Amino acid sequence: AQSVTQLGSHVSVSEGALVLLRCNYSSSVPPYLFWYVQYPNQGLQLLLKYTSAATLVKGINGFEAEFKKSETSFHLTKPSAHMSDAAEYFCAVTKAAGNKLTFGGGTRVLVKP
Amino acid sequence: GAVVSQHPSWVICKSGTSVKIECRSLDFQATTMFWYRQFPKQSLMLMATSNEGSKATYEQGVEKDKFLINHASLTLSTLTVTSAHPEDSSFYICSAHDLAATSYNEQFFGPGTRLTVL
Repeated sequence: AQSVTQLGSHVSVSEGALVLLRCNYSSSVPPYLFWYVQYPNQGLQLLLKYTSAATLVKGINGFEAEFKKSETSFHLTKPSAHMSDAAEYFCAVTKAAGNKLTFGGGTRVLVKP
Repeated sequence: GAVVSQHPSWVICKSGTSVKIECRSLDFQATTMFWYRQFPKQSLMLMATSNEGSKATYEQGVEKDKFLINHASLTLSTLTVTSAHPEDSSFYICSAHDLAATSYNEQFFGPGTRLTVL
């Protein structure tokens, strides 16, 4: 079985400050890991994915995440928050291509001016 | 590319009626589509996996007779909520798996359908 834990259901950051969203996973096999963003009343947009290539993954909108096997983590960061980053972020894991995703509980990001 | 649409984007219905939601992959073929349900301020919960030409696989606790899934073609899957009740009110999101992608083929998500049952 696989699972995902996102620490912190809400994160508040100031505009221009570092954004750090935490994700820990458990998986019986090497995982595929994803970060998605969801704006209100919309579907999910892929930010980035880890598929066993480089451990540091760069995504869209200035986000990046680092896969750390020893810590079973896949934390998402952005050096400088923008007001448009206010949204819900989901970490997800799957064990095989095309297989079902297991989502974390989500982290809502609030960006203060 | 890799666009998934859902129709309708929102629907309001009376209790006891049935509602059909369509999920289409517009520019790729999808052997597998997934249906998720999302309650307000909560995460996505997988309801079922829809495979073209075969019966859907439902997650534990999801009533297959209430949530009918049909995947008749490589670009269309439908979810029918039968005899809907207010507790079925939710945001329903589908995703599709690109058959032709050679690298890890991520799932592409539709924009969601907001169902409100009165």
